[in-house]
Amino acid sequence: QQQVKQSPQSLIVQKGGISIINCAYENTAFDYFPWYQQFPGKGPALLIAIRPDVSEKKEGRFTISFNKSAKQFSLHIMDSQPGDSATYFCAAISGTYKYIFGTGTRLKVLA
Amino acid sequence: AAGVIQSPRHLIKEKRETATLKCYPIPRHDTVYWYQQGPGQDPQFLISFYEKMQSDKGSIPDRFSAQQFSDYHSELNMSSLELGDSALYFCASSRPRGYEQFFGPGTRLTVL
Repeated sequence: QQQVKQSPQSLIVQKGGISIINCAYENTAFDYFPWYQQFPGKGPALLIAIRPDVSEKKEGRFTISFNKSAKQFSLHIMDSQPGDSATYFCAAISGTYKYIFGTGTRLKVLA
Repeated sequence: AAGVIQSPRHLIKEKRETATLKCYPIPRHDTVYWYQQGPGQDPQFLISFYEKMQSDKGSIPDRFSAQQFSDYHSELNMSSLELGDSALYFCASSRPRGYEQFFGPGTRLTVL
């Protein structure tokens, strides 16, 4: 049973467009929600993260929107670039600090 | 800045052999996590250590064991390897009680 559901599975966006990836969770004990970017054959790299007491966090072109009541959060990539083409994972964490990852979204940004 | 170091980066083994993967966390990080990632899949948590003690356990087969040493490096020991063990194995580390996990480059294990 996937505790963190991620969609879409794949996404194609034109250069300069907005990429939006969504995640939903069930466990209200989760209290930290990071997004990771992973290139083929590389380790996941932390992009941005949010706590449930904040509704939005922005770092450069990356924004997390968090809806606590709906138990959903999303990643927005503004002005998407071909170099953003990668797999993106959302994750959630609770007391024992282990990450529960979403299933991943393969993003392709067309030049 | 120093990152998580994993060795070896690539490993090829035969079925029923054993393998040892090593992880060196970022300096002053006291918590280490191991994840397994199959092709096209999300990383699956295996096991974690905090201050040299096992802190949590996920979907780790009984054939696998791990430990964290006094210098905080960790080793994942895998015995009786099966074809299905072929995957990328990532180690991540975090600061004391920190939520941010920093991943290493991974070890690609291929079991023939």
